[in-house]
Parts: sequence; C-alpha cells; structure tokens
Amino acid sequence: NAGVMQNPRHLVRRRGQEARLRCSPMKGHSHVYWYRQLPEEGLKFMVYLQKENIIDESGMPKERFSAEFPKEGPSILRIQQVVRGDSAAYFCASSPRGSGETQYFGPGTRLLVL
Amino acid sequence: QQQVKQSPQSLIVQKGGIPIINCAYENTAFDYFPWYQQFPGKGPALLIAIRPDVSEKKEGRFTISFNKSAKQFSLHIMDSQPGDSATYFCAASRGSSGSARQLTFGSGTQLTVLP
Repeated sequence: NAGVMQNPRHLVRRRGQEARLRCSPMKGHSHVYWYRQLPEEGLKFMVYLQKENIIDESGMPKERFSAEFPKEGPSILRIQQVVRGDSAAYFCASSPRGSGETQYFGPGTRLLVL
Repeated sequence: QQQVKQSPQSLIVQKGGIPIINCAYENTAFDYFPWYQQFPGKGPALLIAIRPDVSEKKEGRFTISFNKSAKQFSLHIMDSQPGDSATYFCAASRGSSGSARQLTFGSGTQLTVLP
C-alpha cells in the first residue's frame, strides 16, 4: 500500500542548472497537485494536473517552471535555470478521482540551489 | 482574499494539556477545512477535516471547532503527548474548475509538548 512517492528526496543544483522533480501518486489516484514550502512558511499551491492535462497552474511562476503528468509514468515538475530563491521543499499530493478534497502528500523533495 | 491566517506561530504545553490552534479566513467560498500535521523532514499528513455545515468534529483526541459567522476554525488536541510535537497547518479549499481543489495553507504552528 505505497503512498505518494517523490524522488529525489534531496537535490542540490548550482545556479543556472535544471532541476527535475518526480512524483508518483498513490495507486488509483489520477489527480496530482504540486506545492512549494519555503523555510518557516506554509505550503503554497503551484499546479494541479490530471493525466495528460494541466487543470490549474495559477500558482506556478510564469517563467522557468513547468509541470507535466503523462499518460504513463510519474508527474514531473521541472525548474529551468534555477536561482537561489528556488531553494525550498517541493511537495506533491494526490487524490482519487472525484474526491479532490482529500489530498495525500508525499515526503517532498528538498531542493538546494548553491 | 485567498489568505488563511493561523496563530500562534509556536506553542509549548505540558503533557496532558490542551493546545488550541486558531485559523481565520476571509473567502466565504471556502467550503472544506482540513488540518495537517507535519514532522520534520516529512510531508504533511491529514489529521481531520470539517465542512461549514457542522460546528464541531471529533476524531480521537483531535477536535475541530468551526464558527461560520466569524469565519474562524480551531484545532484542539486533548490529552496532548510528547509524540504530538510537530508543526500543524490549517488549510482551506473551494470547488473550482472541474474537481480542482487547491489548498490554501496557514503559516503553521510549531507545537512542543513537554514530558
């Protein structure tokens, strides 16, 4: 009964590099949400996806950030040309079809940009 | 307004005490209010959630009180234990396009329960 899986758990990048974060939702879940948590702050919504569709990306920065949830495989959050301000914990959550309220979170990926 | 304001920022109680964490919101379209518990290095875990059609919900030692007219809700932890020491987040969401329900989180309360 695997929960939401995220990898890597820790990621170190130098400024200007790309960061790629992966999220495998719980079995049977087709809705994925990405959140960002800055140090000492609450989580901030970034993007909501269903298989092959971005439903709501209102919390995603306009530049350098993109997300996808392909028909096969995990959801990917991609950050291009990372800057120090991108250092944060990135959490993925999933929910079953038709039950969008109950979101189950993964352990997060802690990104450090040097 | 999408904000959810949470207080206090930190809280220390003795074992057996009843810590209370408060949240306030402005957007009357919010219709789902969960509480999450987060341990260091872990993801948030859903504790308990409430909808605005009830004023109180209990699950084990955790109780949510909800005041719709004041747009406030709070978490009470009965008979608190050192193992309850964690960061607690309130959140709120509303139905939007499709079944999208992005959560708006409070800033968190770091709870310490002393043995």
